[in-house]
Amino acid sequence: QQQVRQSPQSLTVWEGETAILNCSYEDSTFDYFPWYWQFPRESPALLIAIRPVSNKKEDGRFTIFFNKREKKLSLHITDSQPGDSATYFCAASAEHMGYKLTFGTGTSLLVDP
Amino acid sequence: AQTIHQWPVAEIKAVGSPLSLGCTIKGKSSPNLYWYWQATGGTLQQLFYSITVGQVESVVQLNLSASRPKDDQFILSTEKLLLSHSGFYLCAWTGSDYTFGSGTRLLVI
Repeated sequence: QQQVRQSPQSLTVWEGETAILNCSYEDSTFDYFPWYWQFPRESPALLIAIRPVSNKKEDGRFTIFFNKREKKLSLHITDSQPGDSATYFCAASAEHMGYKLTFGTGTSLLVDP
Repeated sequence: AQTIHQWPVAEIKAVGSPLSLGCTIKGKSSPNLYWYWQATGGTLQQLFYSITVGQVESVVQLNLSASRPKDDQFILSTEKLLLSHSGFYLCAWTGSDYTFGSGTRLLVI
């Protein structure tokens, strides 16, 4: 059973538009949600992360919105650039799970110039 | 600064042949180390983790095994490869977050 789900599976936006990537989870004990991005033929790299103590985390053009009650998050990428084209993974972990980081299914983003 | 190195960069192996992939981290004592596997176009699946030398915990085995022979080294291996073992193998360590190595691409034919 997939504990972390992402939608859409793929997304295409025009340069300058806002891309919205969605993530939902099942385990209410998850307490840390990092987002990773992965470029073709490269390994994933941490992009931005949030803990449930806040409902928003911003880093430049990237913002996470977090809804604890609905167990949903979204990553907003404003002023999308062609260089943002990558696969984005939402992940989750919980203190009681020790050392396990569970990744979502990923969203492939293409930004058309 | 911590650096994580994986070897080899890529392998093409025959079904039934053995495999050994390595991961070394420098600049960090007693790191928590992890092996992840990613099928082409798929998500990342945690396989093993280790918090100390000689201790490895299995998350999903996939007919693979892992060992931690040294504080800075994590090895993934199998005696008999299957076609389903093809994919991208990533080693990671945790500081404040998971940091991945550059990975090993494996094609089993």
